[in-house]
Amino acid sequence: EDKVVQSPLSLVVHEGDTVTLNCSYEVTNFRSLLWYKQEKKAPTFLFMLTSSGIEKKSGRLSSILDKKELSSILNITATQTGDSAIYLCAVRGNAGNMLTFGGGTRLMVKP
Amino acid sequence: ETGVTQSPTHLIKTRGQQVTLRCSSQSGHNTVSWYQQALGQGPQFIFQYYREEENGRGNFPPRFSGLQFPNYSSELNVNALELDDSALYLCASSFSLASGRENNEQFFGPGTRLTVL
Repeated sequence: EDKVVQSPLSLVVHEGDTVTLNCSYEVTNFRSLLWYKQEKKAPTFLFMLTSSGIEKKSGRLSSILDKKELSSILNITATQTGDSAIYLCAVRGNAGNMLTFGGGTRLMVKP
Repeated sequence: ETGVTQSPTHLIKTRGQQVTLRCSSQSGHNTVSWYQQALGQGPQFIFQYYREEENGRGNFPPRFSGLQFPNYSSELNVNALELDDSALYLCASSFSLASGRENNEQFFGPGTRLTVL
């Protein structure tokens, strides 16, 4: 059974800080790892990492996939209050298009 | 916004009742996946529909069933509701792998919050 574990469970920082969120996984026949941001309801897609694309960056957010360590990190630099959300990591393995999610990291950015 | 819509937004039911949740996929997407997200947890995969057939199922009992229509929209039906079915139900649409695009992103709708009393 595929498994995803995220850490820390929650994090409180101040604006301007840099944060690193962690995701580790066990999956049969890994195909991709996805990061989502969930503020109220709908998870919003951030990045997808695959064997051929192990590093992604968009503005202040970046993510790296370590296939050897079966893990990924999501970095957010110069955090803003608008970054406050739950960050979800999910992996796609052998079972079609199904995503297996971790429990999420709740990030709170204080002014 | 992703273009994936869900209805209703909120729903309150009592134990034993039945519920139907609806999802319209993003334009051009032919696959719909349903997830259950309990409070404080990550989404859990219920099942996926492609070409109007179930195409993968998670660890959910048969009282969770679904449909996909020719326009790719989908329904999730839950019979004999239990208190533990209270959750946010998320629908996600994507291109299927069979369309030749591997590793497609899934785009989520705003969800339906179901409360079972």
